[in-house]
Amino acid sequence: GQSLEQPSEVTAVEGAIVQINCTYQTSGFYGLSWYQQHDGGAPTFLSYNALDGLEETGRFSSFLSRSDSYGYLLLQELQMKDSASYFCAVRDSGRGSTLGRLYFGRGTQLTVWP
Amino acid sequence: DADVTQTPRNRITKTGKRIMLECSQTKGHDRMYWYRQDPGLGLRLIYYSFDVKDINKGEISDGYSVSRQAQAKFSLSLESAIPNQTALYFCATSDKNRGGNTGELFFGEGSRLTVL
Repeated sequence: GQSLEQPSEVTAVEGAIVQINCTYQTSGFYGLSWYQQHDGGAPTFLSYNALDGLEETGRFSSFLSRSDSYGYLLLQELQMKDSASYFCAVRDSGRGSTLGRLYFGRGTQLTVWP
Repeated sequence: DADVTQTPRNRITKTGKRIMLECSQTKGHDRMYWYRQDPGLGLRLIYYSFDVKDINKGEISDGYSVSRQAQAKFSLSLESAIPNQTALYFCATSDKNRGGNTGELFFGEGSRLTVL
């Protein structure tokens, strides 16, 4: 089975840096994705890590350590518009029709204060 | 216009009624998914389809059925709705190549279903 753990809530002030951690237990693993969802909106894709290390996309970076079954999303220079839920998701490496399925964590609600 | 369109956006129904949620996409993607979102539980996969002739159960398929009418259309049915199926439902698509390699899904705006 698949199990992902991430904090339920994180708060920070504008301009700060925040890190959202995700640990996972999976029967197969291909990669770790991150999604952002604003209240009442659709989830949108942020990043993907298949290999160990840091991937940077503007103010957002994502890190993966396969040996530790751990990853994080780093948000820098926080803005009010970054207030949203952030989900980590693992991509299944199972055979046949299970290949490529995504399993989502329960989400971390980020609140950015002025 | 949205690339992934869900109808209806909101629906209130009664226990025992049959409900269909529809999803259509203009992205030309092979793969389509139905997820359910409940507060504090993240997104859970109900059914997914990798092409028109391929339908697979997800984590929580009991009480649901799907139909892939065409590459661009994937509908979710609740044959006899019950109150614990009250949730926000998302349709998503992915490209076989890019999505298959990056886990990138494109979501519709969601269908909020309330079963009384």
